[in-house]
Amino acid sequence: DTEVTQTPKHLVMGMTNKKSLKCEQHMGHRAMYWYKQKAKKPPELMFVYSYEKLSINESVPSRFSPECPNSSLLNLHLHALQPEDSALYLCASSQPTSRSRETQYFGPGTRLLVL
Amino acid sequence: AQSVTQLGSHVSVSEGALVLLRCNYSSSVPPYLFWYVQYPNQGLQLLLKYTTGATLVKGINGFEAEFKKSETSFHLTKPSAHMSDAAEYFCAVSRSPGANSKLTFGKGITLSVRP
Repeated sequence: DTEVTQTPKHLVMGMTNKKSLKCEQHMGHRAMYWYKQKAKKPPELMFVYSYEKLSINESVPSRFSPECPNSSLLNLHLHALQPEDSALYLCASSQPTSRSRETQYFGPGTRLLVL
Repeated sequence: AQSVTQLGSHVSVSEGALVLLRCNYSSSVPPYLFWYVQYPNQGLQLLLKYTTGATLVKGINGFEAEFKKSETSFHLTKPSAHMSDAAEYFCAVSRSPGANSKLTFGKGITLSVRP
């Protein structure tokens, strides 16, 4: 099973709202990722968690706040977003290992519209 | 540094025709190479990956890709296109194992299949 689930599928929020995106995987992976994808563009990495610790933050604005409560869950808390933050937000997971080639498995994404 | 080049933005083929999507990479260390497919309004699905060993890699849905080190290429092919193959295709390179080794994506290419 290589399934990563994301909720909600769609989200519309105003610029003063606070909302959260959720990602879950039960593959035993210990690395989880948030990506942002604009239409007709490749995904852009935002954050990486490795063993529940934040290992990479790609200089993402503080209005995006990631959280990894346990090894299966990854949240992205949103506050005071701008219309240009409207995009597809993708979660991915992988198993970090020094002995084999790592493959990232992606969820279906949350399509976010900021009004 | 590593990079991926996918020439062109759109490829159109007739149903039953050969599909060829090109990918060239640049990497200072032995690369790990991936092809992902993204159907409309969905996340990224792994098509195939190159690790070590056999340079001809077979993936899902009848796709395959050949790693050519001398040409720094990893082109994706399918002998006979099906209407369901219409999607966005991304080539990606990863430098090494580990969560801190990022995926570098090409800009993607849209495949259209004509009846």
